[in-house]
Amino acid sequence: AQSVTQPDIHITVSEGASLELRCNYSYGATPYLFWYVQSPGQGLQLLLKYFSGDTLVQGIKGFEAEFKRSQSSFNLRKPSVHWSDAAEYFCAVVGYSSASKIIFGSGTRLSIRP
Amino acid sequence: NAGVMQNPRHLVRRRGQEARLRCSPMKGHSHVYWYRQLPEEGLKFMVYLQKENIIDESGMPKERFSAEFPKEGPSILRIQQVVRGDSAAYFCASSQGPMNTGNQPQHFGDGTRLSIL
Repeated sequence: AQSVTQPDIHITVSEGASLELRCNYSYGATPYLFWYVQSPGQGLQLLLKYFSGDTLVQGIKGFEAEFKRSQSSFNLRKPSVHWSDAAEYFCAVVGYSSASKIIFGSGTRLSIRP
Repeated sequence: NAGVMQNPRHLVRRRGQEARLRCSPMKGHSHVYWYRQLPEEGLKFMVYLQKENIIDESGMPKERFSAEFPKEGPSILRIQQVVRGDSAAYFCASSQGPMNTGNQPQHFGDGTRLSIL
């Protein structure tokens, strides 16, 4: 069964520091992978997506993610975080066999230290 | 803003009442998805609809929950005889085509926060 694991429930980084949020997926074939961000009381905004091709994906707001098939990972990175990046981040996967379901991880809450 | 529109943003119901949640997809999108988010959790898939058809309802509770996406008008998620455990944020998403046919990400609305007294 498809699954997504985000091992870090809550991360705090200092403003200006680099960030890496971890995501591991379980799926038999190459999945479609996404990172979404959710601000309090808001819906989800798509940060970036991986369907095929270059394994390093650039997204909005200065985020990037790298698909590593050997590690079944799709970690999200940003070289320098801003206070406005404080939010909940969700990794998600959908597979070839499923036209409908996005499987979400449980999320990582990011706090920014001034 | 031509994004996914959900209303109401907040809905309060007493136990036993009915809750109706509405979702208007993005312009040009004919595929609608509903998700439920319990406090401190990720989103869980409920149902996938195209115009007038339910494609996948494997995430819907067997009783009290139903969804429709009529030819005209918004998609509706209906919860009958609500209970405290139905309190959650309900999100709607839409896409231009099925997720597995290529570059078809889902765009999400801001959700409806349902509170059951």
